[in-house]
Amino acid sequence: ETGVTQTPRHLVMGMTNKKSLKCEQHLGHNAMYWYKQSAKKPLELMFVYSLEERVENNSVPSRFSPECPNSSHLFLHLHTLQPEDSALYLCASSQEIASGTGELFFGEGSRLTVL
Amino acid sequence: EDQVTQSPEALRLQEGESSSLNCSYTVSGLRGLFWYRQDPGKGPEFLFTLYSAGEEKEKERLKATLTKKESFLHITAPKPEDSATYLCAVPILSGYSTLTFGKGTMLLVSP
Repeated sequence: ETGVTQTPRHLVMGMTNKKSLKCEQHLGHNAMYWYKQSAKKPLELMFVYSLEERVENNSVPSRFSPECPNSSHLFLHLHTLQPEDSALYLCASSQEIASGTGELFFGEGSRLTVL
Repeated sequence: EDQVTQSPEALRLQEGESSSLNCSYTVSGLRGLFWYRQDPGKGPEFLFTLYSAGEEKEKERLKATLTKKESFLHITAPKPEDSATYLCAVPILSGYSTLTFGKGTMLLVSP
C-alpha cells in the first residue's frame, strides 16, 4: 500500500447509527487532516493532528469525533448524524503541519450518505 | 477575512482550445498559493506551489502564474485527459499552516 488509504469508500447510514471512517498513511508524515467536501462548496477543514495531538478543530459539531492513535492512522467516529452531513470526507497528510510547500497528500475519500 | 475565489465555475473546451483559469485571493501576507487537480471520485492531487509575484511553474500542458492579487492556470492545447476540477488554495495564518481552498473550476475537454 502506498500513499493515503481511506476506508470505506462508500458508507450509507441512518441518523441513529454509529460508524467510523478510517485513514492510513504510508508516507511517514507527521501531520494528518480531515476535510469535508460538499457539492458547490470549498473543501472545509475539520480537524488537524500533528504527531497524534489535535491542534485545530474548526468548530465541528460533536457528532464528529476524531481519533489519532499514532502518526499513521486517523479515524473519524460518526454518531447521530444529520442528512446535511452527507458529503465526501477526505483524509490528508503532510510532512509537517507547517509545511511551506502546501503539499497535502489526499486519500480518495469516503462518500457518506445519511438517510 | 481571507478568501479564495475561483472563476469560472465550469469551463468547457474543445481539444486543442487553450484557455486560462483564475484564482483571486485576499489574504494578508501571502505565504504561497497552491494548485491541485481533482478527478471525479478521487482526492485532490498537488500540482504547483507559487511563492512570489512573477513566479511561473509548468507541468506538461499546464502553466501556473502568480501576481499580487491572483493566479492563473493556463492550459495549452488541452486534451480530454485534462478534464478535472482544478482547485487553488492559500495558507491561512491561524498559527498553523492549514490551507483554505477555493470552490474550484470544473474543466471539461471534449475530443
